[in-house]
Amino acid sequence: EVQLVESGGGLVHPGGSLRLSCGASEFTFGNYWMHWVRQAPGKGLVWVSRVNSDGSTTNYADSVRGRFTISRHNAKNTLYLQMNSLRAEDTAIYYCVRDSADDYGDYRFDYWGQGTLVTVSS
Amino acid sequence: SYELTQPPSVSVSPGQTASITCSGDTLGDKSACWYQQRPGQSPVLVIYQDDKRPSGIPERFSGSNSGNTATLTISGTQAVDEADYYCQAGDMSTVLFGGGTKLTVL
Repeated sequence: EVQLVESGGGLVHPGGSLRLSCGASEFTFGNYWMHWVRQAPGKGLVWVSRVNSDGSTTNYADSVRGRFTISRHNAKNTLYLQMNSLRAEDTAIYYCVRDSADDYGDYRFDYWGQGTLVTVSS
Repeated sequence: SYELTQPPSVSVSPGQTASITCSGDTLGDKSACWYQQRPGQSPVLVIYQDDKRPSGIPERFSGSNSGNTATLTISGTQAVDEADYYCQAGDMSTVLFGGGTKLTVL
């Protein structure tokens, strides 16, 4: 069965940095676009970023552009999210998500990881 | 900026039909998805491309999308369907979620 396992979350001070990782298994990782989605405690889902199958194309939500960097290592079946200049409002569970849509501009988030909690606080 | 608007809550009696709406400017021109999230769990895709069900999703879940509104319909609602539901759509460079709707099965 497809598995996505996030790691790297934790407590960080405002202005600090953190790198999240997502290990993928039981599917051909290099064939899929991948996304990060976050959810603040008690709040709704918010899309953060995406990367295409070979890592050459990335997109970001306005709230994280210039601070976060998404990347992937297909040989290691791993997705990353480098988070810099963290703010209190970045506190959330961060989910790694597989996108199985066939068409550009279409989306189908068919597998989600269990999430990793990032807490930004002094 | 583009927004997707959902009602914060919907209530339904067991066995009845629940409808959850998602509104956005010309949403019908986009492809809409719906996700179910039970407390403490990761979201699960229940509808994609407006009206398609992934394997393993019960037939009582259906979707439609036209004009400015996408709708998730749950027929014969069961207690296990009590959860938060999120619509999703996007364009070439961004993805949006609605604010979520808490479905209560009374």
